[in-house]
Amino acid sequence: GENVEQHPSTLSVQEGDSAVIKCTYSDSASNYFPWYKQELGKGPQLIIDIRSNVGEKKDQRIAVTLNKTAKHFSLHITETQPEDSAVYFCAASEVPGNQFYFGTGTSLTVIP
Amino acid sequence: GAVVSQHPSRVICKSGTSVKIECRSLDFQATTMFWYRQFPKKSLMLMATSNEGSKATYEQGVEKDKFLINHASLTLSTLTVTSAHPEDSSFYICSAIRPGAESGRSPYEQYFGPGTRLTVT
Repeated sequence: GENVEQHPSTLSVQEGDSAVIKCTYSDSASNYFPWYKQELGKGPQLIIDIRSNVGEKKDQRIAVTLNKTAKHFSLHITETQPEDSAVYFCAASEVPGNQFYFGTGTSLTVIP
Repeated sequence: GAVVSQHPSRVICKSGTSVKIECRSLDFQATTMFWYRQFPKKSLMLMATSNEGSKATYEQGVEKDKFLINHASLTLSTLTVTSAHPEDSSFYICSAIRPGAESGRSPYEQYFGPGTRLTVT
């Protein structure tokens, strides 16, 4: 089965700096890679995703890159703000319809 | 984005009783919903896949007779924790797959509910 590893487990950055979270996956059949943000006591929220036919996707301050050959993908948050503080999960899936395999999460703290 | 609701958001029950948690997709129809369990500061653990009109598929180690899942319609799935015990206390989260594709969007987006905090005393 698929195995998703996520690093780092915790990350602290100064407000305005960039944050990068990296994930690797093991199953070359995985073709869809979403990222979720989870605030304390709430369910995860989809913030950006990328499909295997795309190498990079950007949405304002958030970007995701995918390297299929190396089987890794990364989340980049630029100009971080205190409200970006949360736990971020990466996931991999072989769509359509199959289950999602989650990374172990990264607790991001943005220091004002 | 799409909206998935869960009810209740928080429930406390006594050991031996049963608790039902509802998961609804409010603005789309979901043929597939997932149920997860999350322990403090841990990742999401998939419990089962719920498909409308058919039996749920449970992950290894999850007791299907204890965690009853019913996907009665394209917008509603329920998880019933039967004969709950303190070790069942956890954060339960559902999600729904939004089908179909809109221009510029992935057709495989998974939207999560806000979660249900279950405490069994």
